Amino acid sequence: DSGVTQTPKHLITATGQRVTLRCSPRSGDLSVYWYQQSLDQGLQFLIQYYNGEERAKGNILERFSAQQFPDLHSELNLSSLELGDSALYFCASSAGTVNTGELFFGEGSRLTVL
Amino acid sequence: DAKTTQPTSMDCAEGRAANLPCNHSTISGNEYVYWYRQIHSQGPQYIIHGLKNNETNEMASLIITEDRKSSTLILPHATLRDTAVYYCIVRPYNNAGNMLTFGGGTRLMVKP
Repeated sequence: DSGVTQTPKHLITATGQRVTLRCSPRSGDLSVYWYQQSLDQGLQFLIQYYNGEERAKGNILERFSAQQFPDLHSELNLSSLELGDSALYFCASSAGTVNTGELFFGEGSRLTVL
Repeated sequence: DAKTTQPTSMDCAEGRAANLPCNHSTISGNEYVYWYRQIHSQGPQYIIHGLKNNETNEMASLIITEDRKSSTLILPHATLRDTAVYYCIVRPYNNAGNMLTFGGGTRLMVKP
């Protein structure tokens, strides 16, 4: 158990819909990262938040957005969903206030878009 | 991140040592070598990292060549539960703006 909690574990929805994935980081971790893993793309970094502020952005689509709340949990919002958005979405958090490269990943949210 | 090259797949007999190689010939002086693994559809798990000295923890050992252009992750006594995809990543330590970039990794199959 990494200490990172993601909900929901599984989600099935239709094209054009909007979903929200939630992540609770390890206790005390200020940074939250979102990754997408699809069959043909591998693990792709989407975005990082540190203490409520966006810190780094990867290949995140404009239809996707994220935020980190004062209690440090984070949400990833996916809108106008397409079939290609079907993937595993992982949240990770890092220890302390500095990104040392040791990330702790949750078990992921599996999104299926039909 | 500097590019890494890993074999696509490897097999290992249960109870034997699993030696997973990684080439990182363009690694910079301030870049560390990190290893993560991902057991089927679970979240990636940190294993170990190092700069230039060999490192060992309860999970594995990391051997980095003197020129730092390659490394080997060693699982001393592989078990069936070690079957996973192993990722070798190089990145600067303590760099808030440089995310972990995962490549294709090595799919290790531990067989009875």
